[in-house]
Parts: sequence; structure tokens; C-alpha cells
Amino acid sequence: AQSVTQLDSQVPVFEEAPVELRCNYSSSVSVYLFWYVQYPNQGLQLLLKYLSGSTLVKGINGFEAEFNKSQTSFHLRKPSVHISDTAEYFCAVSDQSNNTGKLIFGQGTTLQVKP
Amino acid sequence: NAGVMQNPRHLVRRRGQEARLRCSPMKGHSHVYWYRQLPEEGLKFMVYLQKENIIDESGMPKERFSAEFPKEGPSILRIQQVVRGDSAAYFCASSPVIAGNQPQHFGDGTRLSIL
Repeated sequence: AQSVTQLDSQVPVFEEAPVELRCNYSSSVSVYLFWYVQYPNQGLQLLLKYLSGSTLVKGINGFEAEFNKSQTSFHLRKPSVHISDTAEYFCAVSDQSNNTGKLIFGQGTTLQVKP
Repeated sequence: NAGVMQNPRHLVRRRGQEARLRCSPMKGHSHVYWYRQLPEEGLKFMVYLQKENIIDESGMPKERFSAEFPKEGPSILRIQQVVRGDSAAYFCASSPVIAGNQPQHFGDGTRLSIL
């Protein structure tokens, strides 16, 4: 069975500072990896995804993530955050061999950007 | 292109009543996923449907919950005899093919409150 652990439930940071949101996963098979963002009272929006190839993935809004197979991690980073980045962030995996494509989500990390 | 449409956005029911949640996938998408988000938790997979077929319902509670995706019309998630523990946000996602390496597109969710 697969699982996803987001190590920080809340991350407070000042505007224009860098941020890293941590994600580790557990799986006995190869997976696809995703980061989604959820703004209040809205659905999830895809930030970026790792399918194969280069381990550094760039997404929307200046975010990037790095896949580390040996550490089974997929941490999300942004070099300079804005107030508008305040939201809930979810890491998710999908089993490459699964014929359904269902996503397994982490618990979420609340990013709080302070002025 | 319209995104994934869910209605109602908010639904209030008394214990013992029935709740019907609707999801219209994006145009051209024939694969629908339902997820539940309990307060302070991540999203949990419930069911995956294609037109007229339930493919994977491994995340559905054994009783009171059912889902359908008819040939015509939206996908419906039905909860009979609701209880307080059913209070949650229910999200629908769609994809044009089995999701896998294709990202799922999420609706804004239905927030179900049980009195």
C-alpha cells in the first residue's frame, strides 16, 4: 500500500522569503508524483507533476519540486513567496501500474505568508 | 471550456435524510473520481467511474453510499440516511483518460453539513 507524509502541518513564512514544503512517500512500486494547491473554499489546482526524466520539475506560480528516489521525497520549493501563496498544499502519488489512476494524498501543509 | 462543475456548493441535511451530490466533468472527459475531505485532513479516494461503469469503489463506505455515472447527465454521489460523521467536503475530479500520468481536474467541491 502507498502512503504520503507531509512533515509539516503549518509553515509560517515572511513575504519574499524562500520556502520548502516537505513530502515523503512510501511505495513498493513506481509512482507518479503531484503537488496541488487549494485556496479557501475552492477545489484543487495542479501546481506541478513528476512523471519521469529530469528530477527537477518546474510548475506554475514560480514553484518547483525535486524528486529524490533514494530518499522517496518530493519537496516543493519557491525562492520568494508572495502573500497570494497563502493556501493549503497537498502532495499526492499515483501508482504507475494501477489501472485506475486514483490519487493518494498527504495530510496537507498550510502555508501562511506574513507581510 | 467550463471546468468540472459540482452542485450544490453547500448542502445542509438533517440526520436520516438523503444527500445527492452532482458532478459534471469537463467536456470530453469520461472518467470521474470522487474524493472526501474531512476537516483538517487530506483528500481520501472514494470511487472511480467511467460512463455507466463503476471501476474502483475501494474507498466507498460499505453502507449508505453509492455512486453512478450514467450515459447521459452528471455523475451522482448519493448518501442515504446521513449521520454527523458524513459532514465533509466532497470533491469530484475528471480526466479524459485513465488518470495515471494525466492530471485530474478538480471541481470546487460540495460542502455537506449534517445537523
